[in-house]
Amino acid sequence: QKEVEQDPGPLSVPEGAIVSLNCTYSNSAFQYFMWYRQYSRKGPELLMYTYSSGNKEDGRFTAQVDKSSKYISLFIRDSQPSDSATYLCAMKTSYDKVIFGPGTSLSVIP
Amino acid sequence: EADIYQTPRYLVIGTGKKITLECSQTMGHDKMYWYQQDPGMELHLIHYSYGVNSTEKGDLSSESTVSRIRTEHFPLTLESARPSHTSQYLCASTAGDTIYFGEGSWLTVV
Repeated sequence: QKEVEQDPGPLSVPEGAIVSLNCTYSNSAFQYFMWYRQYSRKGPELLMYTYSSGNKEDGRFTAQVDKSSKYISLFIRDSQPSDSATYLCAMKTSYDKVIFGPGTSLSVIP
Repeated sequence: EADIYQTPRYLVIGTGKKITLECSQTMGHDKMYWYQQDPGMELHLIHYSYGVNSTEKGDLSSESTVSRIRTEHFPLTLESARPSHTSQYLCASTAGDTIYFGEGSWLTVV
């Protein structure tokens, strides 16, 4: 079993839809949780970062962490064609071990 | 946000050639990383450094080598390139608990 699981998609939604992207993990030592967006042939770009259970909002993006269920989510409201990309979750322990999910490919159709 | 610069962005090179992928960051980060990512696939850590004169191999075995003579510079070298080395190479550095990536170097070995 991989330490971080993420549905690779592809996920296709109409413009304006609410998108839900999810990751599960097995290592309870993970304390820091990140979401990255990666456009084709580009490096991953940090979107959200959190270290506590609950929700964190930034514009159209909301990151949700449920440590008891070992489950994190990224919600995108009012999705735009420019949101079409691969979304990677990443998790880090206190001793610097970072694991990335395989990424979910998202297409937002105009 | 970290400024991480990678050169070259794209490189096509013949088998057996020696190549060096350059990575520089301007934020004074101590921790730097090299990841390898095939198209549509997961990120794999191949090298990391926690400071000057510190280098370690990552989770994925790689024939490449790295050096860290200056804080801001973390080059990756392949002594004899092979077609199996064709991939995207991503350099990253850490500020606190988050990882910031460069734009990537796309290497094609023919």
